[in-house]
Amino acid sequence: RKEVEQDPGPFNVPEGATVAFNCTYSNSASQSFFWYRQDCRKEPKLLMSVYSSGNEDGRFTAQLNRASQYISLLIRDSKLSDSATYLCVVNIPNDYKLSFGAGTTVTVRA
Amino acid sequence: ETGVTQTPRHLVMGMTNKKSLKCEQHLGHNAMYWYKQSAKKPLELMFVYSLEERVENNSVPSRFSPECPNSSHLFLHLHTLQPEDSALYLCASSQDRGEATNEKLFFGSGTQLSVL
Repeated sequence: RKEVEQDPGPFNVPEGATVAFNCTYSNSASQSFFWYRQDCRKEPKLLMSVYSSGNEDGRFTAQLNRASQYISLLIRDSKLSDSATYLCVVNIPNDYKLSFGAGTTVTVRA
Repeated sequence: ETGVTQTPRHLVMGMTNKKSLKCEQHLGHNAMYWYKQSAKKPLELMFVYSLEERVENNSVPSRFSPECPNSSHLFLHLHTLQPEDSALYLCASSQDRGEATNEKLFFGSGTQLSVL
């Protein structure tokens, strides 16, 4: 089983729509979770950390479900500029590593 | 403004060439990383340096040779590469490489490498 798995998409949504997607992780002892955003042919950039209680940053909401071992990202009122690949990142305990998912591609159309 | 600068942005090399990728971070971080990103695949960690000491070598072939002369600079020396090594190579830094691995990564813009 892969350490981190994501639906590659693409999720094609109209402007203003809400889009949500999940990421599953295999190690139940993982403690740190992040969403990174990667634009085409650019480097990944941290979008937000994911906290146990869930957290919001503007139109973006991240949730953690430890029982089912997944994290989610929800984007409200989608903008054209939200088009990107969203990478799920999870720490590997005792290994000092961060494991990346392959990414979920979101395309917002006018 | 970018805290991590990487050069060159693009590189085409033959299998017998020797080239180097350069990375510099201006964030005062103590840890630096090399990642490889192939199309549609997750980022693969190659090397980690913490306080200029290599702490991770992820079973990377010896044709990739890292060098960290100080905490701000990181190099990746390439020689006799194979076509399957073509990928985006990303440098990153973080404040520390702590036990909780709660460190946020700051990436350079990457080098798109093509091996012919």
